[in-house]
Amino acid sequence: DVKVTQSSRYLVKRTGEKVFLECVQDMDHENMFWYRQDPGLGLRLIYFSYDVKMKEKGDIPEGYSVSREKKERFSLILESASTNQTSMYLCASTRTPRYGYTFGSGTRLTVV
Amino acid sequence: GENVEQHPSTLSVQEGDSAVIKCTYSDSASNYFPWYKQELGKRPQLIIDIRSNVGEKKDQRIAVTLNKTAKHFSLHITETQPEDSAVYFCAAPGPFGNEKLTFGTGTRLTIIP
Repeated sequence: DVKVTQSSRYLVKRTGEKVFLECVQDMDHENMFWYRQDPGLGLRLIYFSYDVKMKEKGDIPEGYSVSREKKERFSLILESASTNQTSMYLCASTRTPRYGYTFGSGTRLTVV
Repeated sequence: GENVEQHPSTLSVQEGDSAVIKCTYSDSASNYFPWYKQELGKRPQLIIDIRSNVGEKKDQRIAVTLNKTAKHFSLHITETQPEDSAVYFCAAPGPFGNEKLTFGTGTRLTIIP
């Protein structure tokens, strides 16, 4: 089974802090994604990457950046955390979405 | 980009009855339609998917139907059981070569014992 591991299950950060969320997958997948999940809004794509050092903006990239220096690792960066970034963040990977995503367990981030 | 709408947002059914969740999509080039189930406190997991060259796919008590002309697809769960209680998400990928999925807003399904 593919494993997608997110480094933290719960995080509490202060407004203005720089926050790093890490995601690692172990199946050599080309594509990796960061989504945020909010009640009533479903899963919204922040950024995705289809190869090392490649990235593309999703639907809600404002306030976020990403880094993919190695194929197995995709990092989401909140440059200056704000309270409206309090959310559940889900990482996913796939060889191709036409064969389904594998999600990580999620990081629940609270910005105070 | 792709736009996916999902209905209803909440659904309660008696145990043993059937449940149906519907999604519409906007991009006629979309050719792959997965459904994910997210149990409380857990990660979303793929439960079934359908590709545009078929109209229906079944896996035990769950089935998905696709109407490409009308641009909608549906999840059907028969003989519902308490463990079916979860949030269900549909998704669609948009044009070929665009590897991201756009998700619906989710349906919270509650099975009443």
